[in-house]
Amino acid sequence: AQTVTQSQPEMSVQEAETVTLSCTYDTSENNYYLFWYKQPPSRQMILVIRQEAYKQQNATENRFSVNFQKAAKSFSLKISDSQLGDTAMYFCAFMKHARDDKIIFGKGTRLHILP
Amino acid sequence: NAGVTQTPKFQVLKTGQSMTLQCAQDMNHEYMSWYRQDPGMGLRLIHYSVGAGITDQGEVPNGYNVSRSTTEDFPLRLLSAAPSQTSVYFCASSWGQGTNQPQHFGDGTRLSIL
Repeated sequence: AQTVTQSQPEMSVQEAETVTLSCTYDTSENNYYLFWYKQPPSRQMILVIRQEAYKQQNATENRFSVNFQKAAKSFSLKISDSQLGDTAMYFCAFMKHARDDKIIFGKGTRLHILP
Repeated sequence: NAGVTQTPKFQVLKTGQSMTLQCAQDMNHEYMSWYRQDPGMGLRLIHYSVGAGITDQGEVPNGYNVSRSTTEDFPLRLLSAAPSQTSVYFCASSWGQGTNQPQHFGDGTRLSIL
């Protein structure tokens, strides 16, 4: 069975700093998707970034980027130039490729951006 | 400790049929919510509840009803299923509504509407 582990329950950084959130996963699959979701006070889960396992290039979305290490089964999220609006819960998630839509979430990392 | 339990795991319906997705948690959590997950999109909030007897709409509530008669249970009802409701549905719970409380997710219900 697949598992997703986020080892940092909570983090705090100063505004404008760079912060990295850790995520490791366990799977025997070769093709899969990995996601980072952000959950602000609105409770809506916002997809921040996604990575397809067959792509070696790390995904990037503006200030958000990932460090995908397939062999190590690691998928960390880097937030550059952090902003107060980045304060939220962040969930790492795994989904097998294509036909199986089940998503497995980590427990989340609570991120505080301090002014 | 079972956490958040969703049933069924898979369901196929015909257009116009109704059904209820069940969600139960055994952690005495106040806050429960339903999301749908569609390809290429983030989870979208359908309905949520901050406690027994209290429910409110999320981002995409149309076509769904909820009730919260007990702390443990938060069923989601599809009144008249439509193909646009084909999705994977997740139930989640937490101690409170704030983001300082981690959410616990169920395994999801994969629903197909023909």
